Amino acid sequence: NAGVTQTPKFRVLKTGQSMTLLCAQDMNHEYMYWYRQDPGMGLRLIHYSVGEGTTAKGEVPDGYNVSRLKKQNFLLGLESAAPSQTSVYFCASSVLTGTGSEQYFGPGTRLTVT
Amino acid sequence: KQEVTQIPAALSVPEGENLVLNCSFTDSAIYNLQWFRQDPGKGLTSLLLIQSSQREQTSGRLNASLDKSSGRSTLYIAASQPGDSATYLCAPFASGAGSYQLTFGKGTKLSVIP
Repeated sequence: NAGVTQTPKFRVLKTGQSMTLLCAQDMNHEYMYWYRQDPGMGLRLIHYSVGEGTTAKGEVPDGYNVSRLKKQNFLLGLESAAPSQTSVYFCASSVLTGTGSEQYFGPGTRLTVT
Repeated sequence: KQEVTQIPAALSVPEGENLVLNCSFTDSAIYNLQWFRQDPGKGLTSLLLIQSSQREQTSGRLNASLDKSSGRSTLYIAASQPGDSATYLCAPFASGAGSYQLTFGKGTKLSVIP
């Protein structure tokens, strides 16, 4: 049981390049999330999904797109990378029960845009 | 919009001391609250999840309390050890209509001195 995995672990992009970050979970969770973590800003939600084929915007969605074609995968895309998108990106998954939701996090992807 | 504040931002204690980390949040309509630990350069590890109907949750030397009506949670660490050095994050999970997200505080950076 691998939990939540993220690919790649590190990446350096030049301004204007595009890339896709992959998140995979093997816990059969309905909910998946993408966060970014910046010094002094804490973790902020970019986009999330409440099930296969659904996506929704979080707090900081601009410049990112997401897709959830399979239940176990949640992709985060940067179409035209900007230096402001230099950050550490975390994926998480959870299942919502009648009493709440416990989120499990991946190890993160460190992205630098030059 | 949910806002989460963690006090203090940083804390340094000698080994063996008991300590309390504080978390306050503005919207009491929550399902549950999670406490996480983050080591430098690593992902988030869930420490405790406390349901909105609970007052306390314990795991080993850790005890989390929740006072939903006043918007406060505390994490108590007993007999601190150098291995407890990390950043601790609290995150309430919103239960408002259409909301399915954690909101994170900026964390308390704990250093336990041998």
